[in-house]
Amino acid sequence: GNSVTQMEGPVTLSEEAFLTINCTYTATGYPSLFWYVQYPGEGLQLLLKATKADDKGSNKGFEATYRKETTSFHLEKGSVQVSDSAVYFCALRESETSGSRLTFGEGTQLTVNP
Amino acid sequence: GAVVSQHPSWVICKSGTSVKIECRSLDFQATTMFWYRQFPKQSLMLMATSNEGSKATYEQGVEKDKFLINHASLTLSTLTVTSAHPEDSSFYICSARGTGGYNSPLHFGNGTRLTVT
Repeated sequence: GNSVTQMEGPVTLSEEAFLTINCTYTATGYPSLFWYVQYPGEGLQLLLKATKADDKGSNKGFEATYRKETTSFHLEKGSVQVSDSAVYFCALRESETSGSRLTFGEGTQLTVNP
Repeated sequence: GAVVSQHPSWVICKSGTSVKIECRSLDFQATTMFWYRQFPKQSLMLMATSNEGSKATYEQGVEKDKFLINHASLTLSTLTVTSAHPEDSSFYICSARGTGGYNSPLHFGNGTRLTVT
Protein backbone atom coordinates (compact mmCIF):
# COMPACT_ATOMS: atom_id res chain seq x y z
CA GLY A 1 0.00 0.00 0.00
CA ASN A 2 0.87 3.65 -0.04
CA SER A 3 2.75 5.28 2.77
CA VAL A 4 4.47 8.55 3.57
CA THR A 5 7.29 8.89 6.08
CA GLN A 6 8.23 12.27 7.42
CA MET A 7 11.12 13.55 9.40
CA GLU A 8 10.40 13.28 13.06
CA GLY A 9 9.76 16.48 14.91
CA PRO A 10 9.53 18.75 16.60
CA VAL A 11 11.92 21.01 14.77
CA THR A 12 13.04 24.24 16.42
CA LEU A 13 14.94 26.87 14.47
CA SER A 14 15.98 30.46 14.84
CA GLU A 15 14.60 33.06 12.48
CA GLU A 16 16.41 33.17 9.11
CA ALA A 17 17.72 29.63 9.50
CA PHE A 18 17.56 27.11 6.66
CA LEU A 19 14.79 24.56 6.87
CA THR A 20 14.62 21.03 5.55
CA ILE A 21 11.84 18.61 6.40
CA ASN A 22 12.42 15.21 4.87
CA CYS A 23 9.65 13.23 3.26
CA THR A 24 9.86 9.86 1.53
CA TYR A 25 7.05 7.82 0.08
CA THR A 26 6.04 4.39 -1.05
CA ALA A 27 3.51 4.03 -3.82
CA THR A 28 2.71 1.46 -6.46
CA GLY A 29 1.91 3.93 -9.21
CA TYR A 30 2.88 7.45 -10.11
CA PRO A 31 1.58 9.64 -7.32
CA SER A 32 1.12 13.34 -7.03
CA LEU A 33 2.88 14.76 -3.99
CA PHE A 34 1.80 17.54 -1.67
CA TRP A 35 2.87 19.54 1.31
CA TYR A 36 0.12 20.83 3.58
CA VAL A 37 0.56 23.28 6.45
CA GLN A 38 -1.57 23.61 9.56
CA TYR A 39 -1.19 26.86 11.47
CA PRO A 40 -2.27 26.89 15.11
CA GLY A 41 -6.03 26.71 15.44
CA GLU A 42 -6.62 26.38 11.72
CA GLY A 43 -7.33 23.67 9.19
CA LEU A 44 -4.85 22.20 6.73
CA GLN A 45 -3.91 24.37 3.78
CA LEU A 46 -2.19 23.28 0.62
CA LEU A 47 1.32 24.72 0.58
CA LEU A 48 2.67 23.28 -2.65
CA LYS A 49 2.43 20.29 -4.91
CA ALA A 50 4.16 18.40 -7.72
CA THR A 51 2.46 16.01 -10.06
CA LYS A 52 5.31 14.26 -11.83
CA ALA A 53 8.95 13.37 -11.47
CA ASP A 54 11.40 16.29 -11.40
CA ASP A 55 8.62 18.83 -10.92
CA LYS A 56 9.37 21.48 -8.34
CA GLY A 57 6.55 22.91 -6.30
CA SER A 58 7.05 26.28 -4.68
CA ASN A 59 5.06 28.76 -2.62
CA LYS A 60 5.79 31.41 0.01
CA GLY A 61 9.52 30.72 -0.22
CA PHE A 62 9.08 27.00 0.34
CA GLU A 63 9.99 24.51 -2.33
CA ALA A 64 10.10 20.77 -2.84
CA THR A 65 11.28 18.68 -5.78
CA TYR A 66 9.66 15.39 -6.77
CA ARG A 67 12.52 12.88 -6.86
CA LYS A 68 11.36 9.58 -8.27
CA GLU A 69 14.78 7.94 -8.01
CA THR A 70 14.90 8.50 -4.26
CA THR A 71 11.11 8.52 -3.75
CA SER A 72 11.44 11.77 -1.88
CA PHE A 73 9.78 15.17 -1.68
CA HIS A 74 11.78 17.11 0.87
CA LEU A 75 10.51 20.53 1.92
CA GLU A 76 13.01 23.38 2.04
CA LYS A 77 13.06 27.07 2.82
CA GLY A 78 16.12 29.23 2.76
CA SER A 79 15.19 31.60 5.57
CA VAL A 80 12.37 30.80 7.94
CA GLN A 81 10.27 33.33 9.79
CA VAL A 82 8.42 33.17 13.08
CA SER A 83 5.19 33.11 11.11
CA ASP A 84 6.24 29.79 9.56
CA SER A 85 5.69 28.05 12.89
CA ALA A 86 3.13 25.35 12.12
CA VAL A 87 2.71 21.65 11.53
CA TYR A 88 3.73 20.47 8.06
CA PHE A 89 2.26 17.36 6.44
CA CYS A 90 3.62 15.55 3.42
CA ALA A 91 0.99 13.66 1.44
CA LEU A 92 0.51 11.67 -1.73
CA ARG A 93 -2.38 10.99 -4.02
CA GLU A 94 -1.82 7.94 -6.13
CA SER A 95 -3.98 8.09 -9.19
CA GLU A 96 -7.13 9.44 -10.68
CA THR A 97 -8.93 6.26 -9.77
CA SER A 98 -8.29 6.98 -6.11
CA GLY A 99 -10.32 10.14 -6.33
CA SER A 100 -8.85 12.82 -4.16
CA ARG A 101 -8.01 10.57 -1.25
CA LEU A 102 -4.69 11.46 0.30
CA THR A 103 -2.20 9.46 2.30
CA PHE A 104 -0.51 11.66 4.89
CA GLY A 105 2.75 11.56 6.74
CA GLU A 106 2.83 11.96 10.49
CA GLY A 107 3.31 15.70 10.42
CA THR A 108 6.30 17.72 11.59
CA GLN A 109 5.92 20.48 14.12
CA LEU A 110 8.10 23.48 13.29
CA THR A 111 8.76 26.23 15.79
CA VAL A 112 10.71 29.30 14.71
CA ASN A 113 12.07 31.50 17.47
CA PRO A 114 12.85 35.19 16.98
CA GLY B 1 -11.02 31.42 -0.78
CA ALA B 2 -13.09 28.32 -0.17
CA VAL B 3 -13.94 27.71 3.47
CA VAL B 4 -14.92 24.54 5.26
CA SER B 5 -16.49 25.01 8.65
CA GLN B 6 -16.30 22.14 11.10
CA HIS B 7 -18.33 22.16 14.29
CA PRO B 8 -17.84 21.74 17.15
CA SER B 9 -14.14 22.41 17.49
CA TRP B 10 -14.03 20.36 20.64
CA VAL B 11 -16.45 18.19 22.55
CA ILE B 12 -16.38 16.14 25.72
CA CYS B 13 -18.92 13.40 26.13
CA LYS B 14 -19.60 10.51 28.44
CA SER B 15 -18.99 6.93 27.47
CA GLY B 16 -22.02 5.39 25.78
CA THR B 17 -23.40 8.61 24.33
CA SER B 18 -23.36 9.71 20.70
CA VAL B 19 -21.70 12.77 19.24
CA LYS B 20 -22.38 14.46 15.92
CA ILE B 21 -19.75 16.47 14.07
CA GLU B 22 -20.75 18.75 11.21
CA CYS B 23 -18.71 19.73 8.20
CA ARG B 24 -20.02 22.52 6.00
CA SER B 25 -18.68 24.01 2.81
CA LEU B 26 -19.53 27.69 3.15
CA ASP B 27 -18.97 29.11 -0.31
CA PHE B 28 -18.79 26.16 -2.66
CA GLN B 29 -20.59 22.94 -3.37
CA ALA B 30 -18.81 19.87 -2.11
CA THR B 31 -19.58 16.79 -4.12
CA THR B 32 -17.18 14.72 -2.09
CA MET B 33 -16.19 14.96 1.54
CA PHE B 34 -13.53 13.00 3.38
CA TRP B 35 -13.37 12.23 7.07
CA TYR B 36 -10.01 11.72 8.75
CA ARG B 37 -8.93 10.75 12.20
CA GLN B 38 -5.66 11.80 13.76
CA PHE B 39 -4.06 10.31 16.84
CA PRO B 40 -1.42 12.28 18.74
CA LYS B 41 1.82 12.49 16.81
CA GLN B 42 0.44 10.33 14.04
CA SER B 43 -0.70 10.99 10.54
CA LEU B 44 -4.23 11.64 9.38
CA MET B 45 -5.97 8.36 8.67
CA LEU B 46 -8.78 8.37 6.14
CA MET B 47 -11.92 6.93 7.67
CA ALA B 48 -14.42 7.30 4.88
CA THR B 49 -15.30 9.07 1.66
CA SER B 50 -18.80 10.39 1.13
CA ASN B 51 -20.40 11.56 -2.06
CA GLU B 52 -23.49 13.69 -1.91
CA GLY B 53 -26.64 11.63 -2.02
CA SER B 54 -24.99 8.24 -1.75
CA LYS B 55 -23.67 5.97 0.95
CA ALA B 56 -20.23 6.59 2.33
CA THR B 57 -17.34 4.34 1.43
CA TYR B 58 -15.49 3.26 4.54
CA GLU B 59 -11.84 2.35 4.77
CA GLN B 60 -10.89 -1.10 5.92
CA GLY B 61 -11.11 -1.46 9.66
CA VAL B 62 -13.51 1.44 10.17
CA GLU B 63 -16.82 0.37 11.68
CA LYS B 64 -19.59 1.86 9.60
CA ASP B 65 -22.19 1.26 12.29
CA LYS B 66 -20.11 3.14 14.79
CA PHE B 67 -19.10 6.06 12.61
CA LEU B 68 -22.24 7.11 10.78
CA ILE B 69 -21.68 9.47 7.90
CA ASN B 70 -24.41 11.41 6.18
CA HIS B 71 -23.88 13.64 3.16
CA ALA B 72 -27.39 14.70 2.38
CA SER B 73 -26.60 17.98 0.65
CA LEU B 74 -23.83 19.56 -1.36
CA THR B 75 -22.80 21.72 1.56
CA LEU B 76 -23.13 19.48 4.60
CA SER B 77 -21.73 16.19 5.78
CA THR B 78 -22.03 14.84 9.29
CA LEU B 79 -20.09 12.24 11.23
CA THR B 80 -21.84 10.68 14.20
CA VAL B 81 -19.79 8.68 16.65
CA THR B 82 -22.31 6.30 18.19
CA SER B 83 -21.97 4.80 21.66
CA ALA B 84 -18.66 6.52 22.10
CA HIS B 85 -15.93 4.97 24.20
CA PRO B 86 -12.67 6.40 25.52
CA GLU B 87 -10.73 4.78 22.68
CA ASP B 88 -12.74 6.93 20.25
CA SER B 89 -11.10 10.01 21.71
CA SER B 90 -9.22 11.59 18.86
CA PHE B 91 -8.99 14.53 16.50
CA TYR B 92 -11.42 14.28 13.59
CA ILE B 93 -10.90 16.35 10.44
CA CYS B 94 -13.10 16.70 7.39
CA SER B 95 -12.12 17.87 3.95
CA ALA B 96 -14.24 18.76 0.97
CA ARG B 97 -13.74 18.72 -2.76
CA GLY B 98 -15.71 20.94 -5.08
CA THR B 99 -17.47 20.12 -8.29
CA GLY B 100 -14.45 20.42 -10.54
CA GLY B 101 -13.59 16.73 -10.39
CA TYR B 102 -10.47 14.84 -9.42
CA ASN B 103 -8.11 17.78 -9.68
CA SER B 104 -10.22 20.14 -7.63
CA PRO B 105 -8.38 21.32 -4.55
CA LEU B 106 -9.27 19.89 -1.18
CA HIS B 107 -10.30 22.25 1.59
CA PHE B 108 -9.98 21.19 5.19
CA GLY B 109 -11.97 22.00 8.27
CA ASN B 110 -10.25 23.01 11.49
CA GLY B 111 -10.92 19.67 13.10
CA THR B 112 -12.86 18.48 16.13
CA ARG B 113 -11.18 17.30 19.29
CA LEU B 114 -13.34 14.56 20.81
CA THR B 115 -12.73 13.43 24.37
CA VAL B 116 -14.79 10.56 25.73
CA THR B 117 -14.76 10.18 29.50
